[in-house]
Amino acid sequence: TQLLEQSPQFLSIQEGENLTVYCNSSSVFSSLQWYRQEPGEGPVLLVTVVTGGEVKKLKRLTFQFGDARKDSSLHITAAQPGDTGLYLCAGTLHTNAGKSTFGDGTTLTVKP
Amino acid sequence: ETGVTQSPTHLIKTRGQQVTLRCSSQSGHNTVSWYQQALGQGPQFIFQYYREEENGRGNFPPRFSGLQFPNYSSELNVNALELDDSALYLCASSSGLAGVWGELFFGEGSRLTVL
Repeated sequence: TQLLEQSPQFLSIQEGENLTVYCNSSSVFSSLQWYRQEPGEGPVLLVTVVTGGEVKKLKRLTFQFGDARKDSSLHITAAQPGDTGLYLCAGTLHTNAGKSTFGDGTTLTVKP
Repeated sequence: ETGVTQSPTHLIKTRGQQVTLRCSSQSGHNTVSWYQQALGQGPQFIFQYYREEENGRGNFPPRFSGLQFPNYSSELNVNALELDDSALYLCASSSGLAGVWGELFFGEGSRLTVL
């Protein structure tokens, strides 16, 4: 059983569309990160959320941490082909701060 | 500032062989974590090293072992390779045991193929 469930698994949209991807768990996390990974490369950190209900914006990307710190969402406005990639969420449990647990990611394709 | 570097980038081994992967952490970071990422999956935690000691291990057998050196670089060793060990091996560095709220900075990975 995956500790972090990401949905959808695959998403293909046209340039200019908006989208939201989700990261859900039954566990409470002390922090949660979103990463973006391109083929053949390592994940690159996008954002960290720590406080329940927290919303962070990074240009066209909006990240939200659930009130109970069990889930998170990533919303992209006016998607561009450069947004194409694998979006991974990762959580850190309070009881095991040295280990990040990853979901299996959402593969996003933005067509020009 | 130097980022995380890993070597080799690609390698091919046969079943039963042994492999050593290397990682240099980002400058200023004293903690290194290793992850295995199979095709189509997210990274799975192997283990973490802090101050040259193993600090936490995931669900991997003892044939997966590691080292951290005084300069904070690290090695991942895998003995008796199996076909299922084929994956992208990622090294991540952080400052302190959990970084700043668990943030990890990854290298580009070592792609291992076991035939």
